[in-house]
Amino acid sequence: GESVGLHLPTLSVQEGDNSIINCAYSNSASDYFIWYKQESGKGPQFIIDIRSNMDKRQGQRVTVLLNKTVKHLSLQIAATQPGDSAVYFCAEKRMSGYNKLIFGAGTRLAVHP
Amino acid sequence: NAGVTQTPKFQVLKTGQSMTLQCAQDMNHNSMYWYRQDPGMGLRLIYYSASEGTTDKGEVPNGYNVSRLNKREFSLRLESAAPSQTSVYFCASSHPSGQESEKLFFGSGTQLSVL
Repeated sequence: GESVGLHLPTLSVQEGDNSIINCAYSNSASDYFIWYKQESGKGPQFIIDIRSNMDKRQGQRVTVLLNKTVKHLSLQIAATQPGDSAVYFCAEKRMSGYNKLIFGAGTRLAVHP
Repeated sequence: NAGVTQTPKFQVLKTGQSMTLQCAQDMNHNSMYWYRQDPGMGLRLIYYSASEGTTDKGEVPNGYNVSRLNKREFSLRLESAAPSQTSVYFCASSHPSGQESEKLFFGSGTQLSVL
């Protein structure tokens, strides 16, 4: 989930299990949501996105679910692999005149063999 | 394609020194951005450039200036560095328009320490 401050929430999973990373967003008028993966020492990489007119979108091994009623976003990773270990950020695009993404603090995913 | 390239990767400054972070993209993107990332926090927008010739302030612009040199290059300048500017800086760019315009492509970052 979301967090502020120095300590990121950590999700620990066993290799092969499914992972679910949660994110709460604050603005009910946000119309676009995106998940990024950041490995240590690297820049964020795009994983998957979803628009507010959708509830679910699937990619390769990943699914994003959007619940607008409770302003909640989740990222599901199937058959989690060691290479999935990273910090995952959700971001929402506020209704504004420019491409302005508001990022959450991130969740660390630790995959154990 | 290199994507988004940032230089330098690491930098140590003394308080009061100045420096410029360089960023270039080879994806023909119109929009470019500078973010900072602090431990345990999300990325915060410093400045952005919607297109060549324009720049605008983001969430945390104080202490920074930017230059959109041409379509490819967008630099970030610290005129008088302060310890509060110790952070990891990311440059990003996005597609020109349409459905893909929200997706940001990031560089690998510059780790800056101000002593």
